Amino acid sequence: GENVEQHPSTLSVQEGDSAVIKCTYSDSASNYFPWYKQELGKRPQLIIDIRSNVGEKKDQRIAVTLNKTAKHFSLHITETQPEDSAVYFCAARALKLTFGQGTILTVHP
Amino acid sequence: GAVVSQHPSRVICKSGTSVKIECRSLDFQATTMFWYRQFPKQSLMLMATSNEGSKATYEQGVEKDKFLINHASLTLSTLTVTSAHPEDSSFYICSAPANPNADEQFFGPGTRLTVL
Repeated sequence: GENVEQHPSTLSVQEGDSAVIKCTYSDSASNYFPWYKQELGKRPQLIIDIRSNVGEKKDQRIAVTLNKTAKHFSLHITETQPEDSAVYFCAARALKLTFGQGTILTVHP
Repeated sequence: GAVVSQHPSRVICKSGTSVKIECRSLDFQATTMFWYRQFPKQSLMLMATSNEGSKATYEQGVEKDKFLINHASLTLSTLTVTSAHPEDSSFYICSAPANPNADEQFFGPGTRLTVL
C-alpha cells in the first residue's frame, strides 16, 4: 500500500521567516496531494492541494510543489505568523488517502 | 464547502460497554464516508471505508467485529465501538467527498472517546 513520509517532525521558525515541509510517497498511482492544518482537538483543515498534472500551486502565502518523478511534494509557507502554529499533515491518494506523520510548526513572535 | 457533522463530540464510557458515533453529511449526499482514528500526537489512520447500502471495507488490522459500521442512508454513517477498552481511547474522525468524483474530502469535527 501507499507509504507517505513527512519531514521534519517539528519545525520552529521566527515570525516572518519561511517554513518548508517535505513529503515523499511510494505509490506512483497517487494523483492527489492535499495539505492539512490541524489545531489541537480540531478537525484537519485543507489549506492547499495539488493534482498530479500540475507541478506547482500557490495561494497567497502558501505554495505546494510536486515532483512526480521523484515522488515528493513540499509545502512552503512564507512570511509566517504566530497563528500559523499548528500541526501540518501531507497526504497522498491513489485509491484512498494516506497521511504523513505530521509536522508541528511553531512560529515565534 | 460541504459540511460534515459528528455526534457526540466527546464521550466517556466504562470498559466493556459499546459506544456509537454518528457522522452526517448536512448539505450533500455521501455514498462513501471514511472513518479515521487519531491517537495523541499521531497521524490520522484510515480504519474503514463506509459504503451506503453495502458492507464497509476495513483496513488491515482493524477488527470488523469490534468496529461496526453502518451506512444506512446517503447522509448518515455510524461507527460502533463494541466492548470498548482503554486502548480504544482515541479521536475518531469521519470524512466524505462532496460527490463520488471529487478529490477533496470534508472532515467531521471528530469525537473524543475516553474508555475508563
